[in-house]
Amino acid sequence: SAVISQKPSRDICQRGTSLTIQCQVDSQVTMMFWYRQQPGQSLTLIATANQGSEATYESGFVIDKFPISRPNLTFSTLTVSNMSPEDSSIYLCSGWGGETQYFGPGTRLLVL
Amino acid sequence: GDSVTQMEGPVTLSEEAFLTINCTYTATGYPSLFWYVQYPGEGLQLLLKATKADDKGSNKGFEATYRKETTSFHLEKGSVQVSDSAVYFCALSRNNNDMRFGAGTRLTVKP
Repeated sequence: SAVISQKPSRDICQRGTSLTIQCQVDSQVTMMFWYRQQPGQSLTLIATANQGSEATYESGFVIDKFPISRPNLTFSTLTVSNMSPEDSSIYLCSGWGGETQYFGPGTRLLVL
Repeated sequence: GDSVTQMEGPVTLSEEAFLTINCTYTATGYPSLFWYVQYPGEGLQLLLKATKADDKGSNKGFEATYRKETTSFHLEKGSVQVSDSAVYFCALSRNNNDMRFGAGTRLTVKP
């Protein structure tokens, strides 16, 4: 199994600013992903974090708004840029280990 | 494209009641199927999984059987506890790629 940690666990930010979320996995995983979970809703995939190359974004998400890095097999960052209140959400990092996808505890973001 | 449809919530049960949360899926090929649980204020935890038809996943008294003929993966538990109160997500994945999640079903168990 894989244990995934995220930092920060929560934050309150002002509109127009940016926040970078860090994701660390305790073992190598093949694929890493970033999801968004808006209040009371299911998970929506933002992008696949690719090691050493640009992330692959889902429809409706763009690199300028959500730049992602993955410099190695166990670490990734997601930046939420130029934030607005609509970006208030839980952001989750995940990784595939074996036949299972493991999730971090999430970063709870509130934008004022 | 691939999709998962879950039973609408919320579901409220008394302690020791029988639980069923329905989940059906649409996918080409043979996806792997999962149930995740999200306790209040926490992230997602894998509850159980099944990777091929007729497999039964089980954990903590919960069970789900991969039914190819009905494209279903219903979650069941014979006797729920207050501590089972959480949101349950059904999900599928093909080839260890990204997951598709259902909408989630909120379960509340009352003493």
